[in-house]
Amino acid sequence: DIQMTQSPSTLSASVGDRVTITCRASQSISSWLAWYQQKPGKAPNLLIYRASSLETGVPSRFSGSGSGTEFTLTISSLQPDDFATYYCQQYSSYWTFGQGTKVEIK
Amino acid sequence: EVQLVESGGGLVQPGRSLRLSCTASGFTFGDYPMSWFRQAPGKGLEWVGFIRNKAYGGTTDYAASVKGRFTVSRDDSSSIAYLQMNSLKTEDTAVYYCTRKGAAAGPGYMDVWGKGTTVTVSS
Repeated sequence: DIQMTQSPSTLSASVGDRVTITCRASQSISSWLAWYQQKPGKAPNLLIYRASSLETGVPSRFSGSGSGTEFTLTISSLQPDDFATYYCQQYSSYWTFGQGTKVEIK
Repeated sequence: EVQLVESGGGLVQPGRSLRLSCTASGFTFGDYPMSWFRQAPGKGLEWVGFIRNKAYGGTTDYAASVKGRFTVSRDDSSSIAYLQMNSLKTEDTAVYYCTRKGAAAGPGYMDVWGKGTTVTVSS
């Protein structure tokens, strides 16, 4: 099974901050990586697919990069609506998620 | 509007069975593979099971944690996917999400998620 490791687990930030979340895969997954945002009591919402492609309707302050085993999600200027938990997901071999990164208000 | 709506969750005793349904609308259901994920209280997301669309054989795959106990099926005429859960354990307690795989073939992310249905396994 492919294991996904996210860091940090929790991130404290302020509105307007640039935020970066890292995701590492236990083996190469090429660019088969997605990022999701989840708010309490809600389903995950797709932000990024194929490591760097922005899903339709997602604000351009979200961006993704990486390939192979190392990936990042960047929020260029954190907005109040962005405080949530973020998950990376590999889809190279079935589907596994990172443990999540909670972005909270500093 | 593309939509997935889960139903069938509830409280069930260990060892018993439960069937979840996922009703799709807003797209041609038969063209898409479907999958189920779950999230235990306060925990992360876990893949449960997957069913290909008929064009790719309609075959299924399962996570090791549920293989032999859970079965995914589909009724394309009614645009419904099912998750039959047998021999339930307390560790199956979770919110169960129905999802659409964005591509019929090859690696694919989940582009549409339902709101989820809660399953609680407890005596």
